[in-house]
Amino acid sequence: QKEVEQNSGPLSVPEGAIASLNCTYSDRGSQSFFWYRQYSGKSPELIMFIYSNGDKEDGRFTAQLNKASQYVSLLIRDSQPSDSATYLCAVITSGTYKYIFGTGTRLKVLA
Amino acid sequence: DTGVSQDPRHKITKRGQNVTFRCDPISEHNRLYWYRQTLGQGPEFLTYFQNEAQLEKSRLLSDRFSAERPKGSFSTLEIQRTEQGDSAMYLCASSSSLRTGGPGMNTEAFFGQGTRLTVV
Repeated sequence: QKEVEQNSGPLSVPEGAIASLNCTYSDRGSQSFFWYRQYSGKSPELIMFIYSNGDKEDGRFTAQLNKASQYVSLLIRDSQPSDSATYLCAVITSGTYKYIFGTGTRLKVLA
Repeated sequence: DTGVSQDPRHKITKRGQNVTFRCDPISEHNRLYWYRQTLGQGPEFLTYFQNEAQLEKSRLLSDRFSAERPKGSFSTLEIQRTEQGDSAMYLCASSSSLRTGGPGMNTEAFFGQGTRLTVV
């Protein structure tokens, strides 16, 4: 079992819709969770981080964390074609300070 | 502050040659990370430093790879006797420990623009 799992996609949504991206992790002791966006050929850029169970909102983005079920999700409201990118989930596993990344989910927002 | 800086941005080398990459982290960040990324994959952890101490190195990392951070500021990643399988994007990231708790907690990491290595 991989430490951090994401569906590779592509996930296609129409412009203006809500995109929902999911991530599961294997280490129940994980405490820090991050979402990054990566455009083709570019490096990852941070979107959001979340530490506590529940929702955290920042503009059009909402991160949701459920530690009991070991999943973290990212919702993108009013999706725009410029949101088309790969979204990476990263987790800090217990006992370390390293970020473990999933393979990423490719999102395509159709105009 | 100009963010994380990596040099060079691109490197083409012949198989068997040695290459060295440099990373300058955000100035107040004491943790520095190296990752490798190939097409269609997420960043793969290589190693990380807290100040000048190398705290962890991936078991997947062969002896041909070595990293240093001699004064706790910039870092170098060297690959000796490069192989075609080393072709990838090498990413550096930095974060700060100042606002975190113990192991398992970390603030956000910021990435440099990466060094794309092609071994021919």
